[in-house]
Order: sequence, then C-alpha cells, then structure tokens
Amino acid sequence: DTEVTQTPKHLVMGMTNKKSLKCEQHMGHRAMYWYKQKAKKPPELMFVYSYEKLSINESVPSRFSPECPNSSLLNLHLHALQPEDSALYLCASSQSWTENTEAFFGQGTRLTVV
Amino acid sequence: RKEVEQDPGPFNVPEGATVAFNCTYSNSASQSFFWYRQDCRKEPKLLMSVYSSGNEDGRFTAQLNRASQYISLLIRDSKLSDSATYLCVVVTPSYKLIFGSGTRLLVRP
Repeated sequence: DTEVTQTPKHLVMGMTNKKSLKCEQHMGHRAMYWYKQKAKKPPELMFVYSYEKLSINESVPSRFSPECPNSSLLNLHLHALQPEDSALYLCASSQSWTENTEAFFGQGTRLTVV
Repeated sequence: RKEVEQDPGPFNVPEGATVAFNCTYSNSASQSFFWYRQDCRKEPKLLMSVYSSGNEDGRFTAQLNRASQYISLLIRDSKLSDSATYLCVVVTPSYKLIFGSGTRLLVRP
C-alpha cells in the first residue's frame, strides 16, 4: 500500500473555480514532487520541494501554485485552469532530493476541468 | 533528442517467456536510474533501482551500461500479472527525475 496519500481522488472543476490538491506522507521524506500525467503519456515533472523549499519549477503556468506547509504536506493550488489541464496529478516523495532518490507515488488526483 | 527514450511496444509474449526492455538516456552525467511499473489508471510503483553492478530481484534483472548510456530490464518466466507499462526513470545531473515514455507489456495465456 502506498504511504503517500492524495486527496481528493477525483475532482471536477470549472474554469473559474479555485481548488486545491493535497498530498501527505509520513515516511520522513524530505523531498516532495508534483507530476502531471496525461493519458497514454509518462508523468511530467512540475515541481520539486526539498526541505520545504521550492527547488525546481519546470516552467509551470502560474495558474498552478504549489505550497509546502511542512515536511509532510504538499499542496497544489489551482485557479483559472483550462480544459487541457485535465490530467492525473501525482504526488511523490523521496528520502532526499539529491541522494536516495527512490520516489514513491500517491494514487493521484484525477482532475477534469470543464 | 529526448532525455530518456524507450521502445513503446507493445511487447506481446506468452506466459513463461523471457522479455527484455531497454531505455536510453542522453546525459552521460545522469545520477541514478530506476524501473517503475504502472498499471492502467494507477500510479507508478517502484520496481527496482538500477546499480552499476547490475541487480536482480526474483525474476527481474536490471542492468546499467554507462558507456552506451542505456539501462535494461529483463523479466524471466513472465506471468499474466506482469502485464503493465514499464517506465524507466533517470535522475539528471540537476536532480530531476525524468520518465521515459514507457514500454507496454502484454502477457497472454
């Protein structure tokens, strides 16, 4: 069973809505990640947090806003999304960002923008 | 050239067969390598890390060839339950975990 928990599992939102995706891990990992996965495509890296600080932003549009309130929690705030943002959003964590980088994934949030 | 490339397959093999997947990467200074398995509409699950000396876990063997910049995954005695998409992951020198496009495996009875 995954030890990375994501909520909600499914989300439908309108283009004018504001919503948040949540991710939690209790493995003591210090690196956390957001990935986006479209159907039949591999996961694409969006953001990396290391020790609660944003370390990588893969030129993600500002309508996606990540937040890491503490070492166990990672949020992704969504605002004014487009239908093409519909995808599976995966959170992952690893022991560290630069060493022991085996990443463990949550079950994902399947997002539909209408 | 993509950072990480895989043959998309599908590989359609009978139960009991041996099947091998390769994955090539473009940056020779890449740090770490992994194989993940992803079932339809599920999250990727870590299958195994890939070490320079090669490593084996039951029916699965992973190898790294730094000179030719590829990693491989060998599955022996394929089971129906091995049917999935196999994704290689490369950690770049800037510590980005980059996925290959995945290779789909179908094991038939």
